[in-house]
Amino acid sequence: KQEVTQIPAALSVPEGENLVLNCSFTDSAIYNLQWFRQDPGKGLTSLLLIQSSQREQTSGRLNASLDKSSGRSTLYIAASQPGDSATYLCAVQPDSGNTPLVFGKGTRLSVIA
Amino acid sequence: DAGVTQSPTHLIKTRGQHVTLRCSPISGHKSVSWYQQVLGQGPQFIFQYYEKEERGRGNFPDRFSARQFPNYSSELNVNALLLGDSALYLCASSLRGIVNTEAFFGQGTRLTVV
Repeated sequence: KQEVTQIPAALSVPEGENLVLNCSFTDSAIYNLQWFRQDPGKGLTSLLLIQSSQREQTSGRLNASLDKSSGRSTLYIAASQPGDSATYLCAVQPDSGNTPLVFGKGTRLSVIA
Repeated sequence: DAGVTQSPTHLIKTRGQHVTLRCSPISGHKSVSWYQQVLGQGPQFIFQYYEKEERGRGNFPDRFSARQFPNYSSELNVNALLLGDSALYLCASSLRGIVNTEAFFGQGTRLTVV
């Protein structure tokens, strides 16, 4: 059974700092990995989608990497801003049959001005 | 283009009641999935529909049911509500089925059971 773990559970950084969020998964047989942002009580906003054949994806100040063989992904946020404060969720899509996204519990990020 | 829309945004129900949640996917998307997210946890898969047929079901009791309409919108129904059903219910749409497509989520419906 696929399991996704995100470390740390919570993170507080001063504005302007570069930071890395970690995601690990137990089964490397995946189609893709997706990073989401969730503001308190709100839905999920897709940030980046990495296909299993890709190593990384970039969008603005965000860069996500994928090492499928070791079951790891990182989300790098450059020059953090208070508006980046949110919970960041990692999800993988197993490549076995019609299997939906499997999510981690998220990392709650606070960027202090 | 409108994103995934869910209604209502919030509702409060009493134990034992029934609830219906609604979701409209992004225009052109034919797949809708439902997830339950309790506080402090990641979303858990409930159902997936593609082309009006159920294509996947998570580990939820039979009190949970869903359907997809010809216009690809979807309803999630929960009968005999329990306190533990209190959660944020999220709908996701994708262009095709479950397999290897990007999922786009709505803002969710916050259900409180008292």
